[in-house]
Amino acid sequence: DAGVIQSPRHEVTEMGQEVTLRCKPISGHNSLFWYRQTMMRGLELLIYFNNNVPIDDSGMPEDRFSAKMPNASFSTLKIQPSEPRDSAVYFCASSPGQRGGNGYTFGSGTRLTVV
Amino acid sequence: AQKITQTQPGMFVQEKEAVTLDCTYDTSDPSYGLFWYKQPSSGEMIFLIYQGSYDQQNATEGRYSLNFQKARKSANLVISASQLGDSAMYFCAMRGVQGTSGSRLTFGEGTQLTVNP
Repeated sequence: DAGVIQSPRHEVTEMGQEVTLRCKPISGHNSLFWYRQTMMRGLELLIYFNNNVPIDDSGMPEDRFSAKMPNASFSTLKIQPSEPRDSAVYFCASSPGQRGGNGYTFGSGTRLTVV
Repeated sequence: AQKITQTQPGMFVQEKEAVTLDCTYDTSDPSYGLFWYKQPSSGEMIFLIYQGSYDQQNATEGRYSLNFQKARKSANLVISASQLGDSAMYFCAMRGVQGTSGSRLTFGEGTQLTVNP
């Protein structure tokens, strides 16, 4: 089991550029989550999918953020245009079930710096 | 809505001693799960221990145990025989089982633990 795989590990981009973060969940996990971690706001849930369908995107900061899950093995989080305040660590996590005691397995995160 | 509170921004412990990291929660869900994660300086999130709200016994995983007091809505993490490698940020988190809260994992602010030699 390779775990949750995120790419890239680090991304430095200029303000105004489009950024795409990628995630491959654990095979067989049917829930996928995108979190953002900053010093000021801690860990925030941005969006989650169940069986590839977005269930709750209320945590997405604004229209500049979008997420897709075209199939069970791949998800993207896109920021367009990026701004310096988007600088954070973005985690993807997957879970085998929507409810109860199934914990999340986190990827290693993508550290995004927007200059 | 779910809320997790960790009131200890930082904690210090001597190597080989036990330490308790506090966590209180608030939820309207009749059933829920409580988790602890460790985040070392390298940044990854490592699952440590899980407690279900209807579990009769407190959860234990090696040197980690969860002191679950349902009436007080607390789920403190106890680390026994601290090691230098335990120095990290520790997050308490909750997951409900109903509705849309049934999937979201809500995190506390975290406690930075430092183990001194």
